[in-house]
Amino acid sequence: KAGVTQTPRYLIKTRGQQVTLSCSPISGHRSVSWYQQTPGQGLQFLFEYFSETQRNKGNFPGRFSGRQFSNSRSEMNVSTLELGDSALYLCASSPSSSYNSPLHFGNGTRLTVT
Amino acid sequence: QKEVEQDPGPLSVPEGAIVSLNCTYSNSAFQYFMWYRQYSRKGPELLMYTYSSGNKEDGRFTAQVDKSSKYISLFIRDSQPSDSATYLCAMNSNFGNEKLTFGTGTRLTIIP
Repeated sequence: KAGVTQTPRYLIKTRGQQVTLSCSPISGHRSVSWYQQTPGQGLQFLFEYFSETQRNKGNFPGRFSGRQFSNSRSEMNVSTLELGDSALYLCASSPSSSYNSPLHFGNGTRLTVT
Repeated sequence: QKEVEQDPGPLSVPEGAIVSLNCTYSNSAFQYFMWYRQYSRKGPELLMYTYSSGNKEDGRFTAQVDKSSKYISLFIRDSQPSDSATYLCAMNSNFGNEKLTFGTGTRLTIIP
């Protein structure tokens, strides 16, 4: 079974630009979560989508948004990029939105903002 | 203060040693506890999953949860160079809006 696929693997953007990251979950998984990973803060929850609806949202500004399509694929968008947005962005899928449903992560998109 | 605290290391041990990795937490509502392993330039992969207090063993790995002390541990027996990675603890409750709350990770190196 194919794992979680994230594209692109690496991105370099300049301040003020916007970026879109893509995630394809494991086949059959309907929940997709996004996390930001930085050396200082570790993994921080961005948001979760289930059946095209945002179920939960972390403590990030409105510049961070996402969506999920009918095939469960998900995208996240960051507008007006700041230097502090440089991070590894991880997508994870799980079969359900249940709180005890383990997450399966992709290998991430490394975003560098200059 | 963070909800989950984890010693960032780095931790270096010789091959064959027993490794102990630990996390403490402050939210008494946490009931589900996980350990993830993350290799360099890879995403985290689920290693162990436990519910409430107690021990769980899987091969060379043992996870322990002590809810009274708000303390969880991962033990690795007969450590191998392939165990070199960053280990992340994660946990959540059955309510709250976060999927999982993670520790910052401990970087482990097994020296051949």
